[in-house]
Amino acid sequence: KQEVTQIPAALSVPEGENLVLNCSFTDSAIYNLQWFRQDPGKGLTSLLLIQSSQREQTSGRLNASLDKSSGRSTLYIAASQPGDSATYLCAVKVGRGTYKYIFGTGTRLKVLA
Amino acid sequence: DAGVIQSPRHEVTEMGQEVTLRCKPISGHDYLFWYRQTMMRGLELLIYFNNNVPIDDSGMPEDRFSAKMPNASFSTLKIQPSEPRDSAVYFCASSSLAHFWTGSNTGELFFGEGSRLTVL
Repeated sequence: KQEVTQIPAALSVPEGENLVLNCSFTDSAIYNLQWFRQDPGKGLTSLLLIQSSQREQTSGRLNASLDKSSGRSTLYIAASQPGDSATYLCAVKVGRGTYKYIFGTGTRLKVLA
Repeated sequence: DAGVIQSPRHEVTEMGQEVTLRCKPISGHDYLFWYRQTMMRGLELLIYFNNNVPIDDSGMPEDRFSAKMPNASFSTLKIQPSEPRDSAVYFCASSSLAHFWTGSNTGELFFGEGSRLTVL
């Protein structure tokens, strides 16, 4: 059974710092991995999608990497800003005849001005 | 496209009442998912559809929950009778694998804003 873990559960950093959020999964047979952002009381906004054949994806100050063999993905945020404060979730889309997305519990990020 | 649209955004009801949540997926998406989010359990997949057909409902907590997708642009999640422990935010999401073979980004999941349910 696929399990997705995100560490740390919460993170507080000063503005301008570069930071890394971690996502681990137990079964490497994934179809893709997606990072989301969730603001309080809102839905999930897709940030980056990495297909199983890819190693990384970049969008602006965000870079996500994927290492299937080790069951890990990282989300790198450069030059963090107070507007980056939110909960970040990763989700893996499992393969093998099913199209479920399994979510981690998220990392709650606070960037201090 | 307007994205995934859910209604109502907020619902407050009394225990025992029927609750119906609605979802309009992104046009052209062939997968629709219903999730429930709580502080204790995070995001849980309840059920998903492919081309309007329920594929996996193993996450539906009990028979009080039912979901339908009568056509490609509409789905409902119904709780009857509702209980206080059903209080949560219910999300609908949609996705498409239609371009899998072209190699373009596929399987990206798009969420609605959610329906916050409170059962008193």
